[in-house]
Amino acid sequence: AQTVTQSQPEMSVQEAETVTLSCTYDTSENNYYLFWYKQPPSRQMILVIRQEAYKQQNATENRFSVNFQKAAKSFSLKISDSQLGDTAMYFCAFLIPQGAQKLVFGQGTRLTINP
Amino acid sequence: GAGVSQSPSNKVTEKGKDVELRCDPISGHTALYWYRQSLGQGLEFLIYFQGNSAPDKSGLPSDRFSAERTGGSVSTLTIQRTQQEDSAVYLCASSLVGTAGETQYFGPGTRLLVL
Repeated sequence: AQTVTQSQPEMSVQEAETVTLSCTYDTSENNYYLFWYKQPPSRQMILVIRQEAYKQQNATENRFSVNFQKAAKSFSLKISDSQLGDTAMYFCAFLIPQGAQKLVFGQGTRLTINP
Repeated sequence: GAGVSQSPSNKVTEKGKDVELRCDPISGHTALYWYRQSLGQGLEFLIYFQGNSAPDKSGLPSDRFSAERTGGSVSTLTIQRTQQEDSAVYLCASSLVGTAGETQYFGPGTRLLVL
């Protein structure tokens, strides 16, 4: 079975700082997808970034980038120039592209950006 | 519609009562997913629909849980004889066709409290 581990339950940084959220996963599959979702207090899960395992290049979306280390099964999220609106729960998720396409989530990291 | 919508936003019920939770996916999305988010279990997959068919019901926690989808659009998750451990946020997501690694777009969830 696939598992996703986020080892940082909570993190707090000052506005404009850079912060890195950790995520590791366990799988024997070679083809899979990884996602970071953000869940603000409104509860709605919002996609931040996605990575296809067959792509060596790390995905980037504006201030958000990932460090994907396939051999180490690591998928960390870096947020640059953090903003107050980045305050949220962040979930790392894993998906095997077979059958139900079910997402397997980590336990989440609560990120607080302080003014 | 513009996004996935869910109703009600919040539901309080008494132990033993039945509840129905509704999900309206993004217009044109054929794949629909239900997840449950609880304090003890984190985010867990419940069921997946492709059109009106549910090829994967493996995540439904007991036979008190059922779901249906009609017209390839709206889905209803029904919980019969609710128990206190059913208290959670129930999240619905949809994706365009449910193919490999497709991004799932989430609704705001229904927070269920069983007294």
